[in-house]
Amino acid sequence: SAVISQKPSRDICQRGTSLTIQCQVDSQVTMMFWYRQQPGQSLTLIATANQGSEATYESGFVIDKFPISRPNLTFSTLTVSNMSPEDSSIYLCSVSHEPFFGPGTRLTVL
Amino acid sequence: GIQVEQSPPDLILQEGANSTLRCNFSDSVNNLQWFHQNPWGQLINLFYIPSGTKQNGRLSATTVATERYSLLYISSSQTTDSGVYFCAVEDWFKLSFGAGTTVTVRA
Repeated sequence: SAVISQKPSRDICQRGTSLTIQCQVDSQVTMMFWYRQQPGQSLTLIATANQGSEATYESGFVIDKFPISRPNLTFSTLTVSNMSPEDSSIYLCSVSHEPFFGPGTRLTVL
Repeated sequence: GIQVEQSPPDLILQEGANSTLRCNFSDSVNNLQWFHQNPWGQLINLFYIPSGTKQNGRLSATTVATERYSLLYISSSQTTDSGVYFCAVEDWFKLSFGAGTTVTVRA
């Protein structure tokens, strides 16, 4: 199965700042996804990142808040912009086959 | 969107006990998966099971697609089974998750 890595693994940020999370897959994949898991909650899909086209966002998520890049078939970034404490979550990169999810980025916003 | 409901929300087991977790979903789906999230947050895929029954060691799963439910069985539970178990239904590669069942196995 593929190996998915994410950077950073965790971060503590001040409100009003932005953080870019990187996701690297060791093989080419057509579709990559970004999920959010708020504390004590389940996972929610933020957007689908496709190479060569703009990301497709789910209801409740907008590009200005969560800009996504997908420059090639092995890499994607998610930026959490103008952060507030409500953005404190685990952010997970995902692909459509094993292992399905990266290790996640644990973000705390103060 | 598709609604996914899991029960029970919490489960406390004595080591060695057996248990059944349930997942109901509201519409036809391409696929269904069970995940285990360990205390460090890592999500591990347990089963990829659109229908039928699969077994992997002490775990097994059954999905009855026509009746829109899936069951996850844990036999002879161990403390390492503790964590949150999520059911997720797949619709065109996108996953919709249930709220999860938090399992605590006591020694």
